[in-house]
Formats: sequence, C-alpha cells, structure tokens
Amino acid sequence: NAGVTQTPKFQVLKTGQSMTLQCAQDMNHEYMSWYRQDPGMGLRLIHYSVGAGITDQGEVPNGYNVSRSTTEDFPLRLLSAAPSQTSVYFCASSKGVAGARTGELFFGEGSRLTVL
Amino acid sequence: AQRVTQPEKLLSVFKGAPVELKCNYSYSGSPELFWYVQYSRQRLQLLLRHISRESIKGFTADLNKGETSFHLKKPFAQEEDSAMYYCALKYSSASKIIFGSGTRLSIRP
Repeated sequence: NAGVTQTPKFQVLKTGQSMTLQCAQDMNHEYMSWYRQDPGMGLRLIHYSVGAGITDQGEVPNGYNVSRSTTEDFPLRLLSAAPSQTSVYFCASSKGVAGARTGELFFGEGSRLTVL
Repeated sequence: AQRVTQPEKLLSVFKGAPVELKCNYSYSGSPELFWYVQYSRQRLQLLLRHISRESIKGFTADLNKGETSFHLKKPFAQEEDSAMYYCALKYSSASKIIFGSGTRLSIRP
C-alpha cells in the first residue's frame, strides 16, 4: 500500500519556468491538500480539495494552481516559478472532509524545489 | 485571524527530564487541535488529537480554552523523542487544517 506518493522528489527550476508537482493517493481519500514547508514558517496551506472537481485556496495560494479531476490525483502547478517558491512541498490526504472524523492527515515524503 | 503559534523553535532537554512544547491558538470557533511529529527521515504523522484525550508514546496534551493553549507534555524524555513537532488547528467552519511553525525537540543523552 503506497499511501501518498509525490513526484518528483527533487527539482531545480529557473525563474519563469513552469512545472507540475504530482500527488497521488491510493486510499480513496476524499480530502487532499498541499503545504509548503519553510524554515521558521512551518507548514503553510496552499490549496486543498474536498473531492473531485472541488478545490479551494489555503493560506498562501498565489503563484500556484490546482485541479482535482479524479479522487486519486491532486497536482500542483507553478505557472511561472519565482525564487520565493523555493521550498519543500508536502501533499496530504485524509478520509472525509479534512479528516472530519479523525483530523488525521496522511503525508507524502515531500518534494524539494529550488528556483534559481 | 486564525493562527497557531509555537514560540520555541528549538527545545533541548536532557534524557529523563520533563518536556513541554508550547502551542497557542487563535480561533473564533470551536477548535480541534492536534500534534503532529516528523522524525528524521520519516513522514510527518499524527501524534495525538485533543478530542481523544489519549496518551501516545508517553505524551499528553490538554486543551485549555481559557488560555487558548494546547501544550504537549511528557514527564520523562527519551532520546527517541528527538524530532520536529507541529501543533495543528482544524477549522470547524471550513475544510482546513493549519499548522504552527514547529518546534525541534532535541534530547541530550
């Protein structure tokens, strides 16, 4: 059982380039979300989704797009990368709406992105 | 605005000493609070939730609505407790979970 899988694990981009961070889960979880982790800032919520076809903004959505065409996948797109987007990105999923019953998020291993 | 504050970036204690990781929150609704932990080279995972009033790996946390706090405590620290700890708040009015800035706990032998 793979759980939450993120690809790639590492990526280096130049300013202005675009890329997509992939996230897939095999637990049939309704809820999926993206966080970025920065030193001294902790985890900040970028976007989240409560089910296929439904997405919403988190705390720091600017510069990122998401879509949720299937229950399993929740890709995060950077349309024009900036150095301020250098970070470690985590995808997380949970059963129910934000883990409505338990509040438990299941995390991927993270994707380290560097924008030069 | 809703916020989770962890005032200590780093907490270093000796093995066997008591541990308290502080967490304060700001939320106008009815809060649900959690502690997550990230051990070295492992995924971030749930440690405990306030609603369960449970003790996990010797850790406990009590929600104090008067002081808007949810401090994590353990009476006797062990070396394997060294990790990054995050306090998290689940909104009751929206499908969001937000995190604090984290505290790195280092247990000295």
